[in-house]
Amino acid sequence: QVQLMQSGAEVKKPGSSLSVSCKASGGSFNNISIAWVRQAPGQGPEWMGRITPFFSVPTYAHKFLARLTITADKSTSTVSMELTSLKSDDTAVYYCAKTGELREMTTRYHGMDVWGQGTTVTVTS
Amino acid sequence: IVLTQSPGTLSLSPGGTATLSCRASLTVIRNRLAWYQQKPGQAPRLLIDGASSRAAGVPDRFSGRGSETDFTLIISSLEPEDSALYYCQQYGSSLWTFGQGTKVEIK
Repeated sequence: QVQLMQSGAEVKKPGSSLSVSCKASGGSFNNISIAWVRQAPGQGPEWMGRITPFFSVPTYAHKFLARLTITADKSTSTVSMELTSLKSDDTAVYYCAKTGELREMTTRYHGMDVWGQGTTVTVTS
Repeated sequence: IVLTQSPGTLSLSPGGTATLSCRASLTVIRNRLAWYQQKPGQAPRLLIDGASSRAAGVPDRFSGRGSETDFTLIISSLEPEDSALYYCQQYGSSLWTFGQGTKVEIK
């Protein structure tokens, strides 16, 4: 069973960049798809983007197209996200989650069934 | 696709039945809709996938139904531990979205 371990909490200044990593263990990293979801205080989850490491071609929510980069490092079984030009309303808990498997060279998506523990990010001057 | 959940809050008694609605602004392709339960300080937990398939380990008190634009999560024989926020999420289009959530209170 795949497990996801995220990097630790961050405090950032407005205008800076954020990097959060998500290391997978217990399964085949190349055969899964990972999504990034964030949740601002008191708000519902918000999908940010996803990547299938085998292809390493990310898909981003329109809201984050200009500021978000998702990458996959097969050598370390780690998916990372970088969010630039941080604002106070980027304060949130950021999660990675498994959301699909690679079968016959196609990603078969499903609901997010394995989640990282979350990374709390605070953007404050 | 915009997902609209209703009601905003449900207050019910133990043993009762909760019916949660999730309506999509466009057809959710192949019923690729999931339901999640979230308790304070925890990550969301997958309950229902593909509109009607229970995830591993989910009690059969939880059931999902629906298609195209109208989906429902039903929780029967409510227990105090079912108090939580519930979200729907679609992954049928290229760009995924969550609903705004329904709070279920068991009193």
